[in-house]
Amino acid sequence: ETGVTQTPRHLVMGMTNKKSLKCEQHLGHNAMYWYKQSAKKPLELMFVYNFKEQTENNSVPSRFSPECPNSSHLFLHLHTLQPEDSALYLCASSFGFTQPQHFGDGTRLSIL
Amino acid sequence: AQSVTQPDIHITVSEGASLELRCNYSYGATPYLFWYVQSPGQGLQLLLKYFSGDTLVQGIKGFEAEFKRSQSSFNLRKPSVHWSDAAEYFCAVGADNDMRFGAGTRLTVKP
Repeated sequence: ETGVTQTPRHLVMGMTNKKSLKCEQHLGHNAMYWYKQSAKKPLELMFVYNFKEQTENNSVPSRFSPECPNSSHLFLHLHTLQPEDSALYLCASSFGFTQPQHFGDGTRLSIL
Repeated sequence: AQSVTQPDIHITVSEGASLELRCNYSYGATPYLFWYVQSPGQGLQLLLKYFSGDTLVQGIKGFEAEFKRSQSSFNLRKPSVHWSDAAEYFCAVGADNDMRFGAGTRLTVKP
């Protein structure tokens, strides 16, 4: 059981491309998150949304642009990415910021 | 703000042996505590959580964890490891409207 669905599962793109990652949850959660997970590095929190309002942006480069049109959907728009942006991007949701987070299976992003 | 430390980056145990993964946190009061597991190619899955009450909590897949206030620890245990337990394990601390994850411990299980 995931409860949180991420698409696509894999994405290969060139540095000049524009693409979007999608996350969807139907758990009734109010908070949604984007994380970056790189090899041999801790989980990095990128963005947090609460009831569609962005509450946190952890100094993420502007080439990553989040969008939260409603409490069930979260997007991460990508443009002009760098090779170091290759990673697993995880979406999560929860009831409140200190409650258990439910994670999607991630999008494996490779930048050529 | 709270912080969480997982001292062991990588642990190897034999199948059938017992397991203990360490987690230490820093916070002025008792935070909410969690353990997650991540299998290759998947997201994190909640194993168990501690909010209050009994300091020994049971989780899924035969795991348990014990909260020790005096040691600021929340170690994860399993009496007999199975090959399918090979994965990455993350401890997390929730407090002050914030959640912090540890760097993770990778578990390898030897046949």
